[in-house]
Amino acid sequence: GAVVSQHPSRVICKSGTSVKIECRSLDFQATTMFWYRQFPKKSLMLMATSNEGSKATYEQGVEKDKFLINHASLTLSTLTVTSAHPEDSSFYICSARDMAGRDSDTQYFGPGTRLTVL
Amino acid sequence: GQNIDQPTEMTATEGAIVQINCTYQTSGFNGLFWYQQHAGEAPTFLSYNVLDGLEEKGRFSSFLSRSKGYSYLLLKELQMKDSASYLCAAMDSNYQLIWGAGTKLIIKP
Repeated sequence: GAVVSQHPSRVICKSGTSVKIECRSLDFQATTMFWYRQFPKKSLMLMATSNEGSKATYEQGVEKDKFLINHASLTLSTLTVTSAHPEDSSFYICSARDMAGRDSDTQYFGPGTRLTVL
Repeated sequence: GQNIDQPTEMTATEGAIVQINCTYQTSGFNGLFWYQQHAGEAPTFLSYNVLDGLEEKGRFSSFLSRSKGYSYLLLKELQMKDSASYLCAAMDSNYQLIWGAGTKLIIKP
């Protein structure tokens, strides 16, 4: 089945540094990937939709200059948290849509990246 | 390896009850999540179980048996708006999520 990986799985960084999180579709091509943030009460908030070869579409309230998204190839999207602060500490999850799959609406989710900013 | 299984698709009738099963194998266990996702929308959190037993939340209930690696989501008094995909995800000992492929639930009048 379709597999999505994320790297790193967890990262601890100092306040003010930047952190890059990678999301890869391992056995399919994903023209669209999504980045989510999971809050303590388990809800998932969609941050942005990443489209291969074009600019990401950010949800209202998400700072695009702080959360940089690059979708440079059909199998890789990256989320860079710039000048991270403790309030950015969270669990970030990506998903990818397999446009050639049996159901092009299906999203396949990655395992998540736990970011802790000290 | 780690994996999660849930049915690909289920069909039920409006007003009825449906149970969506999920079995999992993970390295360690830190809880099981159920999410509802309508086409083109972000998943909505439904439940989180880490202890054995049944948790009821309105029309939706979720059950967990850690010894059997098994969970189910029970939906009662089905409404047409319940037509959606239901995602099961288990968290392993490294706090990584292992996702099922989702169960597409079709509700018929």
